[in-house]
Order: sequence, then structure tokens, then C-alpha cells
Amino acid sequence: SAVISQKPSRDICQRGTSLTIQCQVDSQVTMMFWYRQQPGQSLTLIATANQGSEATYESGFVIDKFPISRPNLTFSTLTVSNMSPEDSSIYLCSVEDTVPNHSGANVLTFGAGSRLTVL
Amino acid sequence: AQKITQTQPGMFVQEKEAVTLDCTYDTSDPSYGLFWYKQPSSGEMIFLIYQGSYDQQNATEGRYSLNFQKARKSANLVISASQLGDSAMYFCAMSRVRVYSTLTFGKGTMLLVSP
Repeated sequence: SAVISQKPSRDICQRGTSLTIQCQVDSQVTMMFWYRQQPGQSLTLIATANQGSEATYESGFVIDKFPISRPNLTFSTLTVSNMSPEDSSIYLCSVEDTVPNHSGANVLTFGAGSRLTVL
Repeated sequence: AQKITQTQPGMFVQEKEAVTLDCTYDTSDPSYGLFWYKQPSSGEMIFLIYQGSYDQQNATEGRYSLNFQKARKSANLVISASQLGDSAMYFCAMSRVRVYSTLTFGKGTMLLVSP
């Protein structure tokens, strides 16, 4: 499966600032996905990032708040803009494995996540 | 819409014993996939096991097996011979078949394995 590197692994941010999270994959992938995990909660898909086109956002997430870049097939960034304490979460990058597993599923592989705390 | 329910916020098990983590789901899709992921305290999501809705046999991956009961809409994870390193959060998730990227996750179950 793909190997995903995320930066930063954690950060403490001030209210009103913005932070950009980087996601690097060791192989070329068509789509990259950004998930959010709020404290004690499950994972929620923020958006899907395709190379060469605008990201597709899920209901409740907007481009102004979570701008995404996808400059090439191995890299993406997610920016959390004008942060508030409610944005304190783990943000996870993921990709779909290009080779199905033995059950025939293209499993989602996740990065280690970026744990943001907003004061 | 798809929905995953994990009713056990926390589970305790002794080392070397087996444990079952419950997962029920709801969907109107005729075909779907069911996944279990493990999230240690470090935060990464680790894929454990997958079951397709049309698979006749229950999935197994080493010490992990998925007890799939389609009529009951349940997909329980069974961990045999628990190890201390199994202590983690466990998430059940589902997808549409061949749209594996859009996963709907449950709220998770925290498993603690004691010596």
C-alpha cells in the first residue's frame, strides 16, 4: 500500500490564524482525500482533491475555510483558515490503494494525521 | 444514506483472550463494503479487514475475523488472542462497492487489553 507523509504532525495555533497541512504520497494517485476527526468523534470526509481541478467539498465544508491545493499526483495541501477552537481536530490525508487487496477492495490508506490545537 | 452504529464506547479484555467489537449498519445500497480500522494513540488509521456485501464467506486476516450477518446488518470484529498492542480505538466503516474512498465511519470503540 501507499506510504503517506503528513506535516506537521501536531501544532498549537492561535485563534484567527491559518495553517497549511502537507500530504506527500510515495506513488502517483489520482485522488487524495482529506478527513477531519474532532476530539472524541469519528472521521468525516472534508473534500476530495483531484490533480488539475478544483477540490470537491462535502456538505458542511467550504473552500474559503478549507482551501486545498493539488499541484501534482503525489502531493496535496489542506489549509485551515481563520482558525477557531472548534477547528481543533486531527486532519488526515488518505489515498485509495491502486492495487486491490485479496478481497478485491481498493483500501483507503491514511497518513498519520496532523493534530491541531487552536487556543 | 449510510449509517454505522458502534454501541460499545469501551471494552476491556485480558491478554490472550478473544474479544468481539460490535458494529451494525444501515444502507439502502444493494452492494456495499464493510471495513474495520484501528487507531492507536499515535493517531494513524490502520486498515484491518474488509468484507464485501456479496462475499459468501466471512473475512479473516490473521487474528482478525469479521462476523458478517447480512440479515441482521451486523459486521462484528473478532480479535482472537488479544495482545497488549491491540489497545486502541477501533472504527467500523462502510462504503459503496467500488467507491471505497467515501467511507462512513462509526463513532468507534476503545479497546483496552490488560496483562
